Amino acid sequence: ILNVEQSPQSLHVQEGDSTNFTCSFPSSNFYALHWYRWETAKSPEALFVMTLNGDEKKKGRISATLNTKEGYSYLYIKGSQPEDSATYLCAFLGAGGGNKLTFGTGTQLKVEL
Amino acid sequence: GAVVSQHPSWVICKSGTSVKIECRSLDFQATTMFWYRQFPKQSLMLMATSNEGSKATYEQGVEKDKFLINHASLTLSTLTVTSAHPEDSSFYICSARETQHQPQHFGDGTRLSIL
Repeated sequence: ILNVEQSPQSLHVQEGDSTNFTCSFPSSNFYALHWYRWETAKSPEALFVMTLNGDEKKKGRISATLNTKEGYSYLYIKGSQPEDSATYLCAFLGAGGGNKLTFGTGTQLKVEL
Repeated sequence: GAVVSQHPSWVICKSGTSVKIECRSLDFQATTMFWYRQFPKQSLMLMATSNEGSKATYEQGVEKDKFLINHASLTLSTLTVTSAHPEDSSFYICSARETQHQPQHFGDGTRLSIL
C-alpha cells in the first residue's frame, strides 16, 4: 500500500497571507505527482502534473516544487484570497503502477477576510 | 478546458435497488476512466480502472459483481451498484484522461444514500 501524506490537514489564514503545505510520497518508482484543487460543490480541478526532480511549476499565485529523491512536494499560495478556499489534493503516480493515482487526504484551506 | 459530466449528482433509494451512475467526457476521448469512492474524512479510494472496449480492472477488495463497470465508448463509462445496501452509501466520483501524461478530469461526483 502506497503512503501519500499531506500536511497540515487543515489551515485557516487571513486574506493576503502567503501559505504553503506539503505532500510526501514514496521516493522510489516515481513517475509523476499531481496537484488538484477541490472546491466545495465542484469537481476537482487539475493544477499541476510534475515529473522532474527539482521542477517548479506556477499558475497565477499558486506554485509547486518537487523533490523526488526525498519524496516531497510543496504547494505555495502567495497572497491568499477567499476564492482560494478549497481542499488541495496531491496524488502520486508510480512507475509501472498500472497508471493509478494514489491520493493524499488533502489539505483543507480556508481564507478569511 | 476538458469537461467530465457525471449523473446523477444525488441518489436516495431503498435497499435492494440497483443504481446506475454515468460518467461522460464531453470534449475529449477518454481512453481510460477511473471510479473512486470517498468515505468521510478519507482520501479518494480507487475502485476500478475502466478502459474502452475491455473489462475493467478492479482494485483489491472491490467486488466486481457488486460494482459493475461498463466503458462502451470513448466518451461514456457507467458504474452500476447492484442490489445496493446501506453500507454502499458513499460519495462516488469518476475521472477521465486522454493519455497517461495528462491530468485526470473529474466529474462532480454522486452522493448515494441507501435507506
